[in-house]
Amino acid sequence: EAQVTQNPRYLITVTGKKLTVTCSQNMNHEYMSWYRQDPGLGLRQIYYSMNVEVTDKGDVPEGYKVSRKEKRNFPLILESPSPNQTSLYFCASSSNGQKANYGYTFGSGTRLTVV
Amino acid sequence: SQQGEEDPQALSIQEGENATMNCSYKTSINNLQWYRQNSGRGLVHLILIRSNEREKHSGRLRVTLDTSKKSSSLLITASRAADTASYFCATQQSWGKLQFGAGTQVVVTP
Repeated sequence: EAQVTQNPRYLITVTGKKLTVTCSQNMNHEYMSWYRQDPGLGLRQIYYSMNVEVTDKGDVPEGYKVSRKEKRNFPLILESPSPNQTSLYFCASSSNGQKANYGYTFGSGTRLTVV
Repeated sequence: SQQGEEDPQALSIQEGENATMNCSYKTSINNLQWYRQNSGRGLVHLILIRSNEREKHSGRLRVTLDTSKKSSSLLITASRAADTASYFCATQQSWGKLQFGAGTQVVVTP
């Protein structure tokens, strides 16, 4: 089944403790992206990747890192999480993002709470 | 910054009625997409309309795009309780970035 898999689904952590949220897609998509969703703000893009080893900042990149060493994986790293990063996170992928005419496939989300 | 803004923010209708929601955006786009999100779940892609298209249908969904007014509408005909969800428009510029609005929350009561 074609899908985007995120792990974990739920995570509670303490301020300052480094964490990684994994994202993997099995559709051979070039384009991958991370979003956070907060009430009343919709989805805001954190980082995106056009292909392996090509990443760029989205609208709210502060406090986050990403890497794209393989086509299928796009982990989101929070080096020192803070309470304002408490949010619902989504990973998404798309075929041929540069041609910009394809819908995105989203993962099921990771609900992160930083205390 | 948000590119798309949906209107209304919330919509409550009865089963069988049509639901219409609108999306306005600010800059030129390559395409506009609509997504559905059931409570707390991942977004599901519904329909994509390119900038050179004016109307598109998919099942009970009808999407229009007016690039001169920088606006789009999504019509769900003969709504069902299962259509209860949040609906988001998203715009994509030529270089691939997808930007979402804040969404319209639709409740369909039996």
